[in-house]
Amino acid sequence: NAGVTQTPKFQVLKTGQSMTLQCAQDMNHNSMYWYRQDPGMGLRLIYYSASEGTTDKGEVPNGYNVSRLNKREFSLRLESAAPSQTSVYFCASSELSQGGSYEQYFGPGTRLTVT
Amino acid sequence: GDSVTQMEGPVTLSEEAFLTINCTYTATGYPSLFWYVQYPGEGLQLLLKATKADDKGSNKGFEATYRKETTSFHLEKGSVQVSDSAVYFCAPRSGGTSYGKLTFGQGTILTVHP
Repeated sequence: NAGVTQTPKFQVLKTGQSMTLQCAQDMNHNSMYWYRQDPGMGLRLIYYSASEGTTDKGEVPNGYNVSRLNKREFSLRLESAAPSQTSVYFCASSELSQGGSYEQYFGPGTRLTVT
Repeated sequence: GDSVTQMEGPVTLSEEAFLTINCTYTATGYPSLFWYVQYPGEGLQLLLKATKADDKGSNKGFEATYRKETTSFHLEKGSVQVSDSAVYFCAPRSGGTSYGKLTFGQGTILTVHP
């Protein structure tokens, strides 16, 4: 099992350009998440998908859109990149485990720089 | 909404020293509590968890006890190693939701010197 995979690993964009970050999981999890990580800020939730066919805004959704393409895939789109979106982006997935907790499993991250 | 307050870092220790990273939280219902670890250049990994009051989660020599009365989930290790150098995140998950949305603390950077 690959777990959670993300592409690309690194990306440099110019202000105003668009791009899509891809995420896929092979654990048959229902829920998927997109976070951004900035120094001193921890992880902040951008969007999440509780189950296939649903998406909801998190803490910092402005400037982003998401698509839950199927149960495996959850993409994050930046329509017009801004320097404030320079960050490390993490995708995660979760499912109810034995014992009743929902552990999240993370991808390796995408480091995005917007100039 | 949920919130987490973690001990501010960075924390610098010598090998074999005792580690405590404090975490207090606010969350609705009966939350599950998690500690995640992030090694340099990697994503987050689950370190340990506790799902009800007085539960003790443990893994790799780390421990944390779910204290409902003080809304705390402090991380401890008796003897740290250089390989424990990483960023540690405390994260509650509110009860009453049918999926795993977490709220993360700002993270505590731990550096262990030989």
